[in-house]
Amino acid sequence: DAGVIQSPRHEVTEMGQEVTLRCKPISGHNSLFWYRQTMMRGLELLIYFNNNVPIDDSGMPEDRFSAKMPNASFSTLKIQPSEPRDSAVYFCASMPGQGFGETQYFGPGTRLLVL
Amino acid sequence: AQSVSQHNHHVILSEAASLELGCNYSYGGTVNLFWYVQYPGQHLQLLLKYFSGDPLVKGIKGFEAEFIKSKFSFNLRKPSVQWSDTAEYFCAVMLDGSSNTGKLIFGQGTTLQVKP
Repeated sequence: DAGVIQSPRHEVTEMGQEVTLRCKPISGHNSLFWYRQTMMRGLELLIYFNNNVPIDDSGMPEDRFSAKMPNASFSTLKIQPSEPRDSAVYFCASMPGQGFGETQYFGPGTRLLVL
Repeated sequence: AQSVSQHNHHVILSEAASLELGCNYSYGGTVNLFWYVQYPGQHLQLLLKYFSGDPLVKGIKGFEAEFIKSKFSFNLRKPSVQWSDTAEYFCAVMLDGSSNTGKLIFGQGTTLQVKP
């Protein structure tokens, strides 16, 4: 199994630009999670999906952030417009089922730097 | 609100020393418990997990953890660390209940530095 795949692995952009991060979950997994990791705030859950449906987006920082999951094998996290404080590592994780008793598996992350 | 607390933020050990990293959570219901490891520049990898049964759980690379329900704790241990164990360690909790649907609550992480 290829594991969770994220692209790009590194992204450098200028403030105000649109950034799109991509995630392919492990085949057959029904849940997908987006996290952000920074030195100051640690690991934060941004949003998660069950069966392609957003369940909880309360962790999304503000309207500049949006996430979609058009099908079971692809999700995007978009930041528009980007700001320097968005610089972080963004992780995607997937899980076989929908809840308790399951394990999340993490992708390699996208390291985002907004200048 | 439910939370996970890792008491040690930065631990420095010499090779062959024993390791214990503390993790406590605040939740009165049933939990699943996890330890993840993040090597420098890499993604989170599962070290071990507890769902039910024997509260002493063995994971990869010689790590183990003990769930003590009365103390709301899930401490990570290793009898003899190696330089290659240098990494950041995260404790995480999954809560039962329909409103939680697989969400993980992470601790702030503990950075372990092993000196050769």
